[in-house]
Order: sequence, then C-alpha cells, then structure tokens
Amino acid sequence: GIQVEQSPPDLILQEGANSTLRCNFSDSVNNLQWFHQNPWGQLINLFYIPSGTKQNGRLSATTVATERYSLLYISSSQTTDSGVYFCAVVEGGTSYGKLTFGQGTILTVHP
Amino acid sequence: GAVVSQHPSRVICKSGTSVKIECRSLDFQATTMFWYRQFPKQSLMLMATSNEGSKATYEQGVEKDKFLINHASLTLSTLTVTSAHPEDSSFYICSAPGRGVWEQYFGPGTRLTVT
Repeated sequence: GIQVEQSPPDLILQEGANSTLRCNFSDSVNNLQWFHQNPWGQLINLFYIPSGTKQNGRLSATTVATERYSLLYISSSQTTDSGVYFCAVVEGGTSYGKLTFGQGTILTVHP
Repeated sequence: GAVVSQHPSRVICKSGTSVKIECRSLDFQATTMFWYRQFPKQSLMLMATSNEGSKATYEQGVEKDKFLINHASLTLSTLTVTSAHPEDSSFYICSAPGRGVWEQYFGPGTRLTVT
C-alpha cells in the first residue's frame, strides 16, 4: 500500500514564528487532506488539496502531485495552533474514502 | 462543512462486556462511512468501511466478529466492540464523505477504556 511520511515529527515554535510541514507519499493519489487534531482528539479539516495551492487565513498548502509531496505553511503561529497535524491520502485506484494517514507532526507553540 | 457526530464521547466498561458507538451525519446523507482507530500518540488506522444496506468491509487484520458494524440508515453507522478486553481500549473515530465525495469529515471520536 501507499506510504505517507511526514516531517518533522516534532516542532516547537515561539508565538509569531512561521513554519513548514511536509508530507511525502509513495504513489499517485486521488485525494490529499491536511488535518489538525486538537487536544480533545477532534480532527479538523484544514485543506482538501490533491493538487495545486490553497490559502485560508494564516494557513496555506501546496501539493505537487507529480513529485509526490505536499507542504503546509503556518504563518504567524499562535498558541492555539498547537496540536498534531496529519496528512492523509487516498491511493489512486482505491475507494475514495480509504484514507492512509501519516504519522503526524506534533506542533507546540509557546507564548 | 459537513458535520459528523459520535456518541458517546467517552465510555468505560468492564472486560467481557460489549460497547456500542454511534456515528451520525447531521446535515447530509452518507451511504458510506469509515471507522478508524487511534492508539495514544499514534496515527489513525482504518478499521472498516461501513456500507448502508450491506455488509461492512474490514481491513486486513481487523476481526469482524469483534468489531460489529451496522449501517442501518443513510445517517447512522454503529460500531459494537464485543466482549471487550483491555487491549481494545483506544480512540475510535468515524468519518463520512461530504457532498464533494472525496473530502472526508470526521466525528469527534469516542475514547473507550476497558477495565
């Protein structure tokens, strides 16, 4: 099956700093989503981005499908950005809902 | 975005008992839902695909007799953990595709503790 690798595994920032999270995947994908898991476990949809670039406030994401990677940018980080960020993909040719998750990036933002 | 709810949010049960977890799509219909499991400090692993009106499809290594899935309506899927044991303690999360089909929306999760 498809492999999804996220880096870095851990990231510690001071409030106001910018960061880039990376997601590499081993095969073609039909779907790629970025999620933020808050301290209570809720997965919050950040981006549905199988290709191209999207922006939402301080967050933006870029997926280069031909090179099999995606990047999540967080600008002017805030303490509320802390949590785990997951990249998840649906492998090409498989059922649309069967997401394979990366191991996540644990982000800690200090005031 | 689409809203998915789960109930209960937290449950503690004794070893050997069964526990039912509900997953509902609140503002849309879902012929398919998905159940994931997450161990502490780990990623999510797909357990099974719940299909409205037909049998669930289980991922390799998931015991279908231990984790019973019923998708009785277009807005409700249930996961029953039968004869629960401490190793079944985990965070169980369901998802459903939104109107765009490809994008998945997740419920808030159910934390199961088996004593």
